[in-house]
Amino acid sequence: KQEVTQIPAALSVPEGENLVLNCSFTDSAIYNLQWFRQDPGKGLTSLLLIQSSQREQTSGRLNASLDKSSGRSTLYIAASQPGDSATYLCAVDGGSQGNLIFGKGTKLSVKP
Amino acid sequence: NAGVTQTPKFQVLKTGQSMTLQCAQDMNHNSMYWYRQDPGMGLRLIYYSASEGTTDKGEVPNGYNVSRLNKREFSLRLESAAPSQTSVYFCASELFGMVNSPLHFGNGTRLTVT
Repeated sequence: KQEVTQIPAALSVPEGENLVLNCSFTDSAIYNLQWFRQDPGKGLTSLLLIQSSQREQTSGRLNASLDKSSGRSTLYIAASQPGDSATYLCAVDGGSQGNLIFGKGTKLSVKP
Repeated sequence: NAGVTQTPKFQVLKTGQSMTLQCAQDMNHNSMYWYRQDPGMGLRLIYYSASEGTTDKGEVPNGYNVSRLNKREFSLRLESAAPSQTSVYFCASELFGMVNSPLHFGNGTRLTVT
């Protein structure tokens, strides 16, 4: 059974710092991996989706990488801002319907 | 563009009461999902609908029923609410089978069962 782990559960950094969030998964037979952002009291917003054949995806200050063989993905945030404060979740898609497994998230706090 | 709309936003029920959570999407997505989110447990799939007219159980279906009313709407019903069903419920949709099609979420229904 696929398990998705995100460490640390919480992270606090000063504004302007570059940071990396980690996601690990136990079964490398994945279809894609998605990173989401969740603001307090809100739903999840998709940030980046990496297909299993890809190594990385970029959107603005965000870069997500995928290493299937080691069961790891990282989300790199450049020049962090207080507006980046949120919970970041990764989810691994096994390819079949209803087979998206979520990690429990990393709560990021960026201090001014 | 509204995306995924959930109603109500908040609800308090007494044990044994019933209610239906509503979800609608306007993105012409084929697949829709109901998740619950609990502290320390993460997001868990309750039920999903791959397409209009079909529904399937997810990881935690007990105590719930669903209806895919049409392509846009997917409702979740609690027939006899229990305190263990206190949670935040999220509806999501996607265009399953399309490459690079992410999951879109509503803003959730916060349910308390006393």
